[in-house]
Amino acid sequence: DTEVTQTPKHLVMGMTNKKSLKCEQHMGHRAMYWYKQKAKKPPELMFVYSYEKLSINESVPSRFSPECPNSSLLNLHLHALQPEDSALYLCASSQGASPSGEQFFGPGTRLTVL
Amino acid sequence: AQTVTQSQPEMSVQEAETVTLSCTYDTSESDYYLFWYKQPPSRQMILVIRQEAYKQQNATENRFSVNFQKAAKSFSLKISDSQLGDAAMYFCAYSHNTDKLIFGTGTRLQVFP
Repeated sequence: DTEVTQTPKHLVMGMTNKKSLKCEQHMGHRAMYWYKQKAKKPPELMFVYSYEKLSINESVPSRFSPECPNSSLLNLHLHALQPEDSALYLCASSQGASPSGEQFFGPGTRLTVL
Repeated sequence: AQTVTQSQPEMSVQEAETVTLSCTYDTSESDYYLFWYKQPPSRQMILVIRQEAYKQQNATENRFSVNFQKAAKSFSLKISDSQLGDAAMYFCAYSHNTDKLIFGTGTRLQVFP
C-alpha cells in the first residue's frame, strides 16, 4: 500500500466551527507532514511529525492544532478559522527524518471557510 | 537561506516533442537533494525524479531526465516524447539535512495534441 489517504475531500466551515482533517498512511513511514497550498502556489510547510513527535512548527497560528495519535495517523484540528485559511491542505509522509527520502502526498482536503 | 527559483510560470509543448523546465537554487551546502514533483489538476502530487548533489551523473527516469549543473546551481527537467498526461504543475524542490522541502513557485506545463 503506497497511499496516503485524507478525509474529508472537501470541507466547508464557518468561522466559529471546530473541525478536524484526517490523514492516514500504512507504509510504515515515520515522518508525516501538513502543508497548506493556495491556488497556483507551491505547498507551504505547516508541521512535521517525526517518530510521532512534533519536530517542526512553521510558526502556524494556534487555530491550527496538529495531533499524531500513532505512527499511521495525523490529524489537523481547526478552530476559529479565518476566510484566508481557505486552501488545499495536503498531508505527506516519508520513511524517516531523511532528506533523501521521497515524500508521498495525499490528495488533499479542499477547505473553504465562510 | 536556501531558495529555489523557477523562472517559467507556464510552458507548452506539442505531443511527442521535448520540453525543458528550468530550476535554479541557492545554497551554501555541499550535500543536498533536489527533486521534481508533478501535480496534475485535482490529483495527487507525485515525485518525478530525484538527484543527489554528490552524484555527478544526471538522474533519468524513463522519459524524464535532469541536467544537474552543481557549480551553476541549476537543475532542469527534460521531458521527452511528451504525452497529454504530462500536463501538470511541476515543482522543483530542495532538501538539506532536515525534513523540510523547499519548493520553487512552479511551472504549469500544457501539452497540445
